[in-house]
Amino acid sequence: AQSVTQLGSHVSVSEGALVLLRCNYSSSVPPYLFWYVQYPNQGLQLLLKYTTGATLVKGINGFEAEFKKSETSFHLTKPSAHMSDAAEYFCAVSGSEGNTDKLIFGTGTRLQVFP
Amino acid sequence: DVKVTQSSRYLVKRTGEKVFLECVQDMDHENMFWYRQDPGLGLRLIYFSYDVKMKEKGDIPEGYSVSREKKERFSLILESASTNQTSMYLCASSLDRGHQPQHFGDGTRLSIL
Repeated sequence: AQSVTQLGSHVSVSEGALVLLRCNYSSSVPPYLFWYVQYPNQGLQLLLKYTTGATLVKGINGFEAEFKKSETSFHLTKPSAHMSDAAEYFCAVSGSEGNTDKLIFGTGTRLQVFP
Repeated sequence: DVKVTQSSRYLVKRTGEKVFLECVQDMDHENMFWYRQDPGLGLRLIYFSYDVKMKEKGDIPEGYSVSREKKERFSLILESASTNQTSMYLCASSLDRGHQPQHFGDGTRLSIL
C-alpha cells in the first residue's frame, strides 16, 4: 500500500534561514507527488507537483522540491524563510492501487518562522 | 482559477442531529472528495465521488453518507451527529484524468455539543 511519512510534526526556523521539510513515500509504482500548504483557517493550496521528467520541481512562493527515487524522498526546501511562510505543509502521493484520482496525505508539518 | 465553496465556515450542532455540509465547485470537475482533518492525523478521506450519483467509501465512512445529485455539488451528511465527529471538514475537487491535483475549499469547522 502507498504511504507518506513526514518527519517532524513541527519545524522552527529563523527568518532568512533555510527551510527544509522532509517527506518520504512508499509506492509500488512510479509516484506522482504533491506538496500543499495550509494557512490558518484556510483550505489546502497546491505548492508544487512532481509527475515525470525533471526531478527538481519549482513551485509557488519560492519553494522547490527534489524527487529522489533512490531515497524515496520528496523534500521541500526554500532558501530563505519569510514570516509569511508560517503554515502547515502536507506531502501527498497519488493513488495507484485501483484509483489514480485519490491522494494519500502525510500527517503534516507545522512550520514556525521566528523574527 | 478553480473555486470550491463550502457553505459554512463554522457550524455548531447538537448530538443526535442530522447535519448537512455542502460543497460546490465551479470548474466542471468530475471528482469530488470529503475529508476530515484532525491534529496529528492529517487528512482522512471520508467519501469521494467520480460522477453524478456515483460514490465510493474512503478510509473512514462510518457515521457519514454523501449525496451528489448534480455535478457541481457534493454534500456530506452526518446521519446522527456525535461528539467524536467534531472536526474540520474539507471538500476538494479534481479532474478525472488520473494523478491530478485536488483543489480545496476553505473548510467547515464543525462542533458537536
